[in-house]
Order: sequence, then structure tokens, then C-alpha cells
Amino acid sequence: AQSVTQLDSHVSVSEGTPVLLRCNYSSSYSPSLFWYVQHPNKGLQLLLKYTSAATLVKGINGFEAEFKKSETSFHLTKPSAHMSDAAEYFCVVTLDTGRRALTFGSGTRLQVQP
Amino acid sequence: EAGVTQFPSHSVIEKGQTVTLRCDPISGHDNLYWYRRVMGKEIKFLLHFVKESKQDESGMPNNRFLAERTGGTYSTLKVQPAELEDSGVYFCASSQSLNPQETQYFGPGTRLLVL
Repeated sequence: AQSVTQLDSHVSVSEGTPVLLRCNYSSSYSPSLFWYVQHPNKGLQLLLKYTSAATLVKGINGFEAEFKKSETSFHLTKPSAHMSDAAEYFCVVTLDTGRRALTFGSGTRLQVQP
Repeated sequence: EAGVTQFPSHSVIEKGQTVTLRCDPISGHDNLYWYRRVMGKEIKFLLHFVKESKQDESGMPNNRFLAERTGGTYSTLKVQPAELEDSGVYFCASSQSLNPQETQYFGPGTRLLVL
């Protein structure tokens, strides 16, 4: 079985400071990992995805994530937070098996203080 | 290119009534998925269509939920009769291929409130 754990339900940072959103996964197979973001009253938007090509993945809006197999982690980072980054972030996993269902983490709500 | 669209954006109904949600995937996407987020819980997979066929319906909670995709284009998700615990946000997503690395593109969701 696969699962995803987002270690923080809420993260608060000041504008201009680094962002770290933590995600650990559990999988018996080779996973594909994604980060999605949901801004208030909007749909889910893909930030980035890991597909085994490179362990450090760059996404949109300055976000990046590093796949660490030894730690089964896929943490999301950004060097400098912007007010517009305030949203809910989801770590997502899918497996290289027959099923294409995405498994979502519980979400981390990012608050950016001025 | 138009994204995934969902209708309605919001629905408020009473317990026991019927509600039908609609999803229009991105044109050319054979794969269509339904997910939902019940209040305070995680986003959960409901089912997956490949064209008009149900590929995986392991996430459907019970037989009050009926999903269709006639003609392999848009899909509907009917809840009949609706119960209080069905309240939440229902998301639709679509993708072009069955590659597990393929991005699933999500719609804005339908917010369902059952009173």
C-alpha cells in the first residue's frame, strides 16, 4: 500500500523568508511524486513532479523539491516566500502499477506574514 | 486551451434529494477521474474512466453514487439520495495517457452542501 504523510498541517512564514513543507511517502514500488497547490476558491494546480529523471525537481513560481529515497522524503522548498504563495499544498503519490489513482497527503496550509 | 470545467460550482441540497455533478475534461483526454474532499479529511480518489469505460471504481463509497461517461466525453456523478456525510468538494481531473508520470489536470471543484 502507498501513503503520504505531510508532517505539518499549518506553516507560517514571513514574506521573504524560506519555505519548507515536509512530505514523507511510503511505497513498495517506484513512486511518481507530485506537489499540487490550491489557492482559495481555485482548483488544484500542479507545482512540480518527480519522475525519476532527476532527484532535484524545479517547479513553477520558484518552488523545488528533492526526492530522497533513503529518507523516503519529497520536501518542498522555496528560498523566499511571497504573499501570493499563501495557499494549501498537497503532496501526492502514484505508483507504477496498473492503478492511476492519486494518493493525497492531508495538506499543509501555508500562511505568509507581511 | 480550455482546462477542466465543472458544473455547478456550488450546490446546496437537502438530505434525501438528488444532485448531479458534471465534468468536462480537457479535449482529447481519454482519462477522467473523480475525487472528493469531505470536510476536514484528505482528498480521496473515487473512480477513473478510460474513455467511456470504468477502469477503476474502487473508491466509490456506496451505491448511492453513480458515475457515467457516455460517449467518452463529459462525465456526470449523481448522488441519490444525498446524505449529510456527502458534503464536501468534488474534483474532476483528466489526463491524456495512462503513463503514471502523466499530470492529472484538475477542475475547480463542485462544493456540495447537504443540509
